[in-house]
Amino acid sequence: GAGVSQTPSNKVTEKGKYVELRCDPISGHTALYWYRQSLGQGPEFLIYFQGTGAADDSGLPNDRFFAVRPEGSVSTLKIQRTERGDSAVYLCASSSQGGSYNEQFFGPGTRLTVL
Amino acid sequence: DQQVKQNSPSLSVQEGRISILNCDYTNSMFDYFLWYKKYPAEGPTFLISISSIKDKNEDGRFTVFLNKSAKHLSLHIVPSQPGDSAVYFCAASGSGTYKYIFGTGTRLKVLA
Repeated sequence: GAGVSQTPSNKVTEKGKYVELRCDPISGHTALYWYRQSLGQGPEFLIYFQGTGAADDSGLPNDRFFAVRPEGSVSTLKIQRTERGDSAVYLCASSSQGGSYNEQFFGPGTRLTVL
Repeated sequence: DQQVKQNSPSLSVQEGRISILNCDYTNSMFDYFLWYKKYPAEGPTFLISISSIKDKNEDGRFTVFLNKSAKHLSLHIVPSQPGDSAVYFCAASGSGTYKYIFGTGTRLKVLA
């Protein structure tokens, strides 16, 4: 079956612009996660959705970052007024249900470059 | 405050030998640990996990050992194969939570 997909695979934007990153989880997975991986670091948690609601957004770095999952499937991570420090690979993962004992399946990521 | 640490950024091993990747953690509330493997331009792929009620879990060539008193876990790959060359991330999670805390990764290179 299809895994987690993310679009676009690469996004180059200018400082101050708005970007949207899309994640299609594995069909039927109710839990969805966003992580950010900076160069030389491991993935860093941003936000977790259970169904349509954000159960934990404590990892979002500031109010320029926002994510939605309106129908409990596809999710969009939105970044306003992008800064050079936002450059990273943004990873999406999904699992069959929430909870730490349910394996998270990761997508290939979106590489965001802010010039 | 790095709660999960992988102190070796890289490791080179000869094909057929054992690879040992190490991971240390500081949070005693962590009770579930995982290893992910990552190839370039791909997302991390789940490899193996262990619950804190165990001290060893084995899956084929991969074995994870957990030493709770030392807050240390290790991944053993034997025999190592060139296709194992990748970046390996250790991750941890606590009961009732859902987010994984990742280490910075160890780049394994298996030499043919």
